[in-house]
Amino acid sequence: GAGVSQTPSNKVTEKGKYVELRCDPISGHTALYWYRQSLGQGPEFLIYFQGTGAADDSGLPNDRFFAVRPEGSVSTLKIQRTERGDSAVYLCASSAGTSGKDEQFFGPGTRLTVL
Amino acid sequence: AQSVTQLGSHVSVSEGALVLLRCNYSSSVPPYLFWYVQYPNQGLQLLLKYTSAATLVKGINGFEAEFKKSETSFHLTKPSAHMSDAAEYFCAVSPRGGDKIIFGKGTRLHILP
Repeated sequence: GAGVSQTPSNKVTEKGKYVELRCDPISGHTALYWYRQSLGQGPEFLIYFQGTGAADDSGLPNDRFFAVRPEGSVSTLKIQRTERGDSAVYLCASSAGTSGKDEQFFGPGTRLTVL
Repeated sequence: AQSVTQLGSHVSVSEGALVLLRCNYSSSVPPYLFWYVQYPNQGLQLLLKYTSAATLVKGINGFEAEFKKSETSFHLTKPSAHMSDAAEYFCAVSPRGGDKIIFGKGTRLHILP
């Protein structure tokens, strides 16, 4: 009964570099969400997948951010030309369904630091 | 747009005292409401949720919250604080039939011995 896992747990990169953050959802969960939590703030929605497709990407801040979920399970959040303002904890969550009632289970997050 | 406002970024209570964390929501229709807890260096954990059944919702670890439509509030309470309750608490809202969760800025709860 593994929960949501995220790798790496910490990522330090230099400004301008490309990074990939990985999320392994709970087995069988069809919905997958990405959030970003900046210091002293609550998590902020980025994008959510239902199966393989992005059902809502309205939270992605700009076109440097992109996420995929090619087989409907693992997802990768990709950030191009990283900026210092991208430093945050990136959280992934998964749920069995997409009703507002379905609980989203969160992973421990990836702490991204852009120098 | 839906939103939540948490009153007080830091709250301190003595061990054994009542815990009250305030949350007000903004929505044209009653949404789904949640309280999450985040312990140091751990992931978010759901404490309780309101999904239009009973207005008084009981959660884990002795916490409960009451949905008050007239006040657009969903305050979190616990009768007697324990040292292990020290954590960050987030109130959150989700549209009915929706998907993404909108979080408040959080309230850090400090327990005084």
